[in-house]
Amino acid sequence: DIVMTQSPDSLAVSLGERATINCKSSQSVLFSSNNKNYLAWYQQKPGQPPKLLIYWASTRESGAPHRFSGSGSGTDFTLTISSLQAEDVAVYYCQQYYNTPYTFGQGTKLEI
Amino acid sequence: QVQLQESGPGLVKPSETLSLTCTVSGGSVTSGSYFWSWIRQPPGKGLEWIGYIYFTGGTNYNPSLKSRVTISLDTSKNQFSLKLSSVTAADTAFYYCATLPGRTGWFDPWGQGTLVTVSS
Repeated sequence: DIVMTQSPDSLAVSLGERATINCKSSQSVLFSSNNKNYLAWYQQKPGQPPKLLIYWASTRESGAPHRFSGSGSGTDFTLTISSLQAEDVAVYYCQQYYNTPYTFGQGTKLEI
Repeated sequence: QVQLQESGPGLVKPSETLSLTCTVSGGSVTSGSYFWSWIRQPPGKGLEWIGYIYFTGGTNYNPSLKSRVTISLDTSKNQFSLKLSSVTAADTAFYYCATLPGRTGWFDPWGQGTLVTVSS
């Protein structure tokens, strides 16, 4: 199985500041034939299911605010929130879909 | 827009079988556009993919659960179901159904989830 490791486990950022969450995979999730990284990011607010934010490591899902962006390739990825809003308080997860079993990171709790 | 809703018992006894159903609206389980998936999350913990089923009836399960899991389709009710046998307290979790679009790998959308507690 591909192990996904996020850092940090929790993060406190001031309103309007930048938040950065890292995700590392135990093996590359870059598929060479199409040069795509098989990596997604989700946001989970309390009492709600996860919500897709980013796929292909950097493609923002329609409806996700533009302040959310994804970057990275191979084994190292980053989710960045450019200017933290109060409604961004949540737990964030990365997920690889390079192969099955699909696996998730342990989550990063983002607080104000 | 596809919408999903889980249903089933909230309490299951140890060694028994957990059974949940996901009702699909806004789409058809006979569509080749999605893989119909189950994911679980122990309270306060992370996410674990359980498996998926395609409209052909083909399945793919997480090897960690494969010996105990069955996912099936009910096309007449536009539903898909999860059965997990021989449950223990470690199977206590929120269970989500979700769609996996086409041949992608991300999950969107998700149902609201249902908490299943394993206890005598």
